[in-house]
Amino acid sequence: DAMVIQNPRYQVTQFGKPVTLSCSQTLNHNVMYWYQQKSSQAPKLLFHYYDKDFNNEADTPDNFQSRRPNTSFCFLDIRSPGLGDAAMYLCATSSEDRGTYEQYFGPGTRLTVT
Amino acid sequence: AQSVTQPDIHITVSEGASLELRCNYSYGATPYLFWYVQSPGQGLQLLLKYFSGDTLVQGIKGFEAEFKRSQSSFNLRKPSVHWSDAAEYFCAVGPPFNAGNNRKLIWGLGTSLAVNP
Repeated sequence: DAMVIQNPRYQVTQFGKPVTLSCSQTLNHNVMYWYQQKSSQAPKLLFHYYDKDFNNEADTPDNFQSRRPNTSFCFLDIRSPGLGDAAMYLCATSSEDRGTYEQYFGPGTRLTVT
Repeated sequence: AQSVTQPDIHITVSEGASLELRCNYSYGATPYLFWYVQSPGQGLQLLLKYFSGDTLVQGIKGFEAEFKRSQSSFNLRKPSVHWSDAAEYFCAVGPPFNAGNNRKLIWGLGTSLAVNP
């Protein structure tokens, strides 16, 4: 089945130690998104790629970076994680080819910062 | 300002009972509308969407939603709830497809659904 895959599902990192979360998709969608979701909150968009074009949200901290080396893969880099960065990180994809853009989500990566 | 309101933070229903989750939005144009469901510790799954056409849309798992332009609402319904429907439900709105490359969704805060056996 076509899907959005996130690895790892659970990640523990130390305060200030860089961490990379990965997302891959077999849907061949041209748009990929990274969200941060804290407990009992709605997802918060960090940034998205429209094809190769990177779109950063104005309130996304500089500590968060992203790479999209090809259509299928997208990475979230947290350069110096703080305790406040502990959250669920969700990757999503969407396609524009049918005039719609519903987003399909991966299972998420739960990040713990110690 | 663009916003989505889900007035009910938490709802408890009995298994087999009907369900309606409310969603109201404030948006400049008629937006695209979505309902997502999230089980604990999981990602979000799209239940249904409205872009245009028939204002009553059918989704997965027996859910439906009705778009009411005059009320700026997109309420989610299910005639008979199953215990497995216990989850967090999010309503989201986004710009019309022809609004350039902006695809940012505005999310409600979610409604937590508990189902009593």
